[in-house]
Amino acid sequence: GAGVSQSPSNKVTEKGKDVELRCDPISGHTALYWYRQSLGQGLEFLIYFQGNSAPDKSGLPSDRFSAERTGGSVSTLTIQRTQQEDSAVYLCASSTTRRKTDTQYFGPGTRLTVL
Amino acid sequence: ILNVEQSPQSLHVQEGDSTNFTCSFPSSNFYALHWYRWETAKSPEALFVMTLNGDEKKKGRISATLNTKEGYSYLYIKGSQPEDSATYLCAFRAGGTSYGKLTFGQGTILTVHP
Repeated sequence: GAGVSQSPSNKVTEKGKDVELRCDPISGHTALYWYRQSLGQGLEFLIYFQGNSAPDKSGLPSDRFSAERTGGSVSTLTIQRTQQEDSAVYLCASSTTRRKTDTQYFGPGTRLTVL
Repeated sequence: ILNVEQSPQSLHVQEGDSTNFTCSFPSSNFYALHWYRWETAKSPEALFVMTLNGDEKKKGRISATLNTKEGYSYLYIKGSQPEDSATYLCAFRAGGTSYGKLTFGQGTILTVHP
């Protein structure tokens, strides 16, 4: 079946512009996660959705970052007034629930470059 | 702040060699430990989810063990092949209200030379 998809695969933007990154989770998965990997860093958690609500936004690095999920499916991560330190690979994952044994399935990521 | 560490940072082996890597994580508030393989330009691929102390998981030539009391997991690859070249990530999941959030190590980059 179809896996997690993300778009765009690559995004180059100028400092100060806003960007939107999209994630389509696996059909039927109620939990959705955003992570990012900056150069030389490990994958870091950004935000988690259960259905359309976000019980854990603790990883969002600043108020320039926001995310929403509609219809319990597609999610959009928005970065306003991008900065060079926002350059990273942004990964989305989904899982059926948040049970102990649930696997999080990842998309291929969006590589964001802020010039 | 949870600290998840992986060693070595990178590893070069010859085809046919067996190898292993280590993941260290907090021994308190353990919930689950995940292993992923991440090849360049692809999605991270789930290998194992481990939840019980003493767990051993196997998938083909790859296996993993878990020690929650001392806070470490080993990933073994038997008879490495060039297609095993990838970054291997472990991720710790804490109990409580972490809502499934994974805390990743920096990864071990494996290169298998023909």
